[in-house]
Amino acid sequence: QLQLQESGPGLVKPSETLSLTCTVSGDSINSRSYYWGWIRQPPGMGLEWIGTIYYSGSTYYNPSLKSRVTISVDTSENHFSLKLTSVTAADTAVYYCARRISGSYGYYFDYWGQGTLVTVSS
Amino acid sequence: QSVLTQPPSVSGAPGQRVTISCTASNSNIGAYYDIHWYQQLPGTAPKLLIYANSNRPSGVPGRFSGSKSGTSASLAISGLQAEDEADYYCQSYDSSVSGSMFGGGTKLTVL
Repeated sequence: QLQLQESGPGLVKPSETLSLTCTVSGDSINSRSYYWGWIRQPPGMGLEWIGTIYYSGSTYYNPSLKSRVTISVDTSENHFSLKLTSVTAADTAVYYCARRISGSYGYYFDYWGQGTLVTVSS
Repeated sequence: QSVLTQPPSVSGAPGQRVTISCTASNSNIGAYYDIHWYQQLPGTAPKLLIYANSNRPSGVPGRFSGSKSGTSASLAISGLQAEDEADYYCQSYDSSVSGSMFGGGTKLTVL
């Protein structure tokens, strides 16, 4: 059974860099069938796609965050990571990692991590 | 960038049928790409509920169904149960950014 687990600091100071890792178990991140993604949800608000990465390192980012986001993959450790620079209180959210699967016309997320709350505060 | 619009809230009594709509702002993208639905129970991660407009993953009850016509999609829940009280999100693909977009979410209240 595929499992994804987010890890990283729960508190980040304003202007610093948020760093999270998603460890994948039960499947290889090297699979050519899937992309891997990050999605966030501010408290009491909806879901926002951050970006996705392929095992080869190919990435796609939300334009609204692109200048501050880097997603990377470590196939030897079977995990992928998120870095978000120059954070503000507006980046406070639950951050989810998920597996993206291709459909006939588009893509969807079939497995999700439990999420991790990151608070930006001094 | 395209937008998916959902009603903020819907409600229904146990046993009733409710529908949640999802409308794409961009006619080209909305008509071509599939819509997917997620259920988010309070305090938990989203769970895939319907994929490719009308398909249920294994384990999702048949009370949940989806449909799509043109730029609009709907999620229907029949035989409403108290445990269905949750937030529901639609999602699709935005080719202009080669990424995913989510609707704003709909809170379902079981009366």
